[in-house]
Amino acid sequence: DVKVTQSSRYLVKRTGEKVFLECVQDMDHENMFWYRQDPGLGLRLIYFSYDVKMKEKGDIPEGYSVSREKKERFSLILESASTNQTSMYLCASSSIGGAGTGNTIYFGEGSWLTVV
Amino acid sequence: RKEVEQDPGPFNVPEGATVAFNCTYSNSASQSFFWYRQDCRKEPKLLMSVYSSGNEDGRFTAQLNRASQYISLLIRDSKLSDSATYLCVVNIRNTDKLIFGTGTRLQVFP
Repeated sequence: DVKVTQSSRYLVKRTGEKVFLECVQDMDHENMFWYRQDPGLGLRLIYFSYDVKMKEKGDIPEGYSVSREKKERFSLILESASTNQTSMYLCASSSIGGAGTGNTIYFGEGSWLTVV
Repeated sequence: RKEVEQDPGPFNVPEGATVAFNCTYSNSASQSFFWYRQDCRKEPKLLMSVYSSGNEDGRFTAQLNRASQYISLLIRDSKLSDSATYLCVVNIRNTDKLIFGTGTRLQVFP
């Protein structure tokens, strides 16, 4: 079974703190993604990566950065957390050509971040 | 206009009912289509892919109308366990990115 693991399920951070969200996948997938999900807005893509050390901005990259030093690990970084970054964050992975060939992407269980 | 639009619901139906959800997409370069299911406070999971000729998986039937740019999901003989949010998902040609609708919430009652 594919497993995408997000290390932190529930976090409470203060405004201005630096926050790291870690994600690891065990299926040797090339693609990894970070989404956030908010009521009424659905899932929105923050960043994605097609390969080690490669990253591309998604639809809402402002206030975030990412790191992919190893194929299996994709980290989301909030440089200075703000209250409007309170959300559920979902990591996902897929193989190259996965979505385009009809194959699925796999999600982690989500990280619930509250910024106070 | 959102790229993928769904009626948010909720759809409240009794057990045993048949219920249908529609989803419209705006990008004509959309290539692959999916329905995902998401339970409350859980991650989305693939329910089924949607093929041009339509496809069925047990009580679930998915249809695609490329000319009108909409996708549908039909659930027959609804079960309590079908209560969830159903996400319409579209892949754009030559990318590995998925565009998600905001979801339609289904509540099945006894």
